[in-house]
Amino acid sequence: ETGVTQTPRHLVMGMTNKKSLKCEQHLGHNAMYWYKQSAKKPLELMFVYNFKEQTENNSVPSRFSPECPNSSHLFLHLHTLQPEDSALYLCASSQGSGGDSYEQYFGPGTRLTVT
Amino acid sequence: GQNIDQPTEMTATEGAIVQINCTYQTSGFNGLFWYQQHAGEAPTFLSYNVLDGLEEKGRFSSFLSRSKGYSYLLLKELQMKDSASYLCAVKDSNYQLIWGAGTKLIIKP
Repeated sequence: ETGVTQTPRHLVMGMTNKKSLKCEQHLGHNAMYWYKQSAKKPLELMFVYNFKEQTENNSVPSRFSPECPNSSHLFLHLHTLQPEDSALYLCASSQGSGGDSYEQYFGPGTRLTVT
Repeated sequence: GQNIDQPTEMTATEGAIVQINCTYQTSGFNGLFWYQQHAGEAPTFLSYNVLDGLEEKGRFSSFLSRSKGYSYLLLKELQMKDSASYLCAVKDSNYQLIWGAGTKLIIKP
């Protein structure tokens, strides 16, 4: 238990569906992240929020829409996804997003399958 | 471009020592991290290096050479529970983490 929770743990959705992933951190951190992890590939950073403000958007397609209502909660809204979007989606948090030594704490991830 | 290289898979024997290498080419350097990820679980932080040299933490040690763009993670007295993927990540000049694809470590009895 790292203090970061994600729901749901598994999700199967059709290409026309709309769904949301939820992340919550109980660590009092100020920065939160969404990553995509595909088999045998490096973690891909998708979005970064620092004090609820989005500071990074790494050219992510608009079918992924993040929302950060407060420093403890992060959502990833999904719509009209493609089969290649099937992956493990990881949420992480850290004390800050700048600085050198801030380690990130990860949630268990949501395994997404797009059919 | 930015690149982190580490072996895809390694096999070692219980009780032995294994060294997992990581080489990097990034725009700037603000520290190197090692994470452990068991199958189906979240990555968990193992170590952080920002200065050259060896950092020891129990059975695990991590080494950094900034001039060579090189790090290694050393695992001693291997246990079956050490079977996992080990991820190397570097913070670049924008303080963004650049990740390697991970090294899957298989421990055999």
